[in-house]
Amino acid sequence: EIVMTQSPATLSVSPGERATLSCRASQSLSSNLAWYQQKPGQAPRLLIYDASTRATGIPARFSGSGSGTEFTLTISSLQSEDFAIYYCQQYNTWPPMYTFGQGTKLEIK
Amino acid sequence: QVQLQESGPGLMKPSQTLSLTCTVSGGSISSGGYYWSWLRQHPVKGLEWIGYMSYSGTTFYSPSLKGRVTMSTDMSQNQFSLMLSSVTAADTAVYYCARARPGAGIVGATSGFDPWGQGTLVTVSS
Repeated sequence: EIVMTQSPATLSVSPGERATLSCRASQSLSSNLAWYQQKPGQAPRLLIYDASTRATGIPARFSGSGSGTEFTLTISSLQSEDFAIYYCQQYNTWPPMYTFGQGTKLEIK
Repeated sequence: QVQLQESGPGLMKPSQTLSLTCTVSGGSISSGGYYWSWLRQHPVKGLEWIGYMSYSGTTFYSPSLKGRVTMSTDMSQNQFSLMLSSVTAADTAVYYCARARPGAGIVGATSGFDPWGQGTLVTVSS
């Protein structure tokens, strides 16, 4: 099983500033990685797939980068609605055995 | 815009079989080459992929749950379903249905879950 490790567990950032979230995989994923945002009481929402492609309707301030085992989600200028928990998910294994990171909580500083 | 909605029992007893249904609106489960998926979120263990299937019936299940999981579709109702047998307290979680984007290359590969249903809490307790 591929283990996904996200850091930090909690990130405190002021509105308007940049946030950088990290995700590391225990083995190479190529670019087979997605990022999700989850707000309290809601389901996760797909932000990024294939490591760097924004999903439909996702603002341009969200960007993903990386390949192999190291990935980054960057939010360029934090808006109030961006404070949430963010998860990475790998879909590189075949047959499928998809796994998620434990999440990074992005909170207001 | 495709929307998904889970339905099923909120409370179950150990050893029972959990049955959940996901109703899809705004699009047909037989179109677009998507895969129809179940995931769950444990309070402590986090998000877990359970499995997905194509509308034609090809299924892929998580090895950790294989043997207890069965998925099916009902195209006449535009629904798909999950059955999980022999539940225990460890199966207590919020269960989500979701549509999986088709991936590149291998048939059956996917590339992210979008959209998700709102989720339904299932509690297993005697």
